[in-house]
Amino acid sequence: QSLLTQTPSVSGTPGQRVTISCSGGSSNIGTNPVIWYQQLPGAAPTLLIYGNNQRPSGVPDRFSGSKSGTSASLAISGLQSEDEAFYYCAAWGDSLTGWVFGGGTKVTVL
Amino acid sequence: QVQLVQSGAEVKKPGASVKVSCKASGYTFTSYDINWVRQARGQGLEWMGWMNPSSGNTGYAQRFQGRVAMTTNTSISTAFLELSSLTSEDTAVYYCARLPLYSSNHYWGQGTQVTVSS
Repeated sequence: QSLLTQTPSVSGTPGQRVTISCSGGSSNIGTNPVIWYQQLPGAAPTLLIYGNNQRPSGVPDRFSGSKSGTSASLAISGLQSEDEAFYYCAAWGDSLTGWVFGGGTKVTVL
Repeated sequence: QVQLVQSGAEVKKPGASVKVSCKASGYTFTSYDINWVRQARGQGLEWMGWMNPSSGNTGYAQRFQGRVAMTTNTSISTAFLELSSLTSEDTAVYYCARLPLYSSNHYWGQGTQVTVSS
């Protein structure tokens, strides 16, 4: 059972905007910055957002992150076919729980 | 460039142990913690623990306490994950990863498939 709760799936047509939510608690998202990963089939996760809303170099500005209290969200605007993937949120918990991950959201481009 | 290169796939019998390696290059190995994360087929990511290569300190997820050991050999910039008393539920892809809390310098190994089957 994941400690962060994500919507299992979202879908959209090319060009649309979709949003993925991630709900946690005071000991993880409420205290520490949120990370978002993209995972393509058969590949390791790649960093999409760090520090709640920062994009690493090379990540298109179509991807944006936000956080409020113990929840976070990832928005993909101008959805493209190559965005079809699994997306995971993550945050550091504490010394006992370590990194906690969401269960993942499958994004489907219709 | 930073790389984490892991050892190859393993097939183990129930009750056995497995040891996975993760060789780091492109940065000072002792400057960053190494985390281990696993992913069962069709499932999400599960954090197993971390190790500081400089101090040797470790932190393990509670559910793996007692049957996991994370070690490093700094002379060859390599981290190791050993998991014992394997069951079929340990069948998964195991990743080593550098996961700094406040920067974008996240790197993951390519993953190692561990299959537990009689």
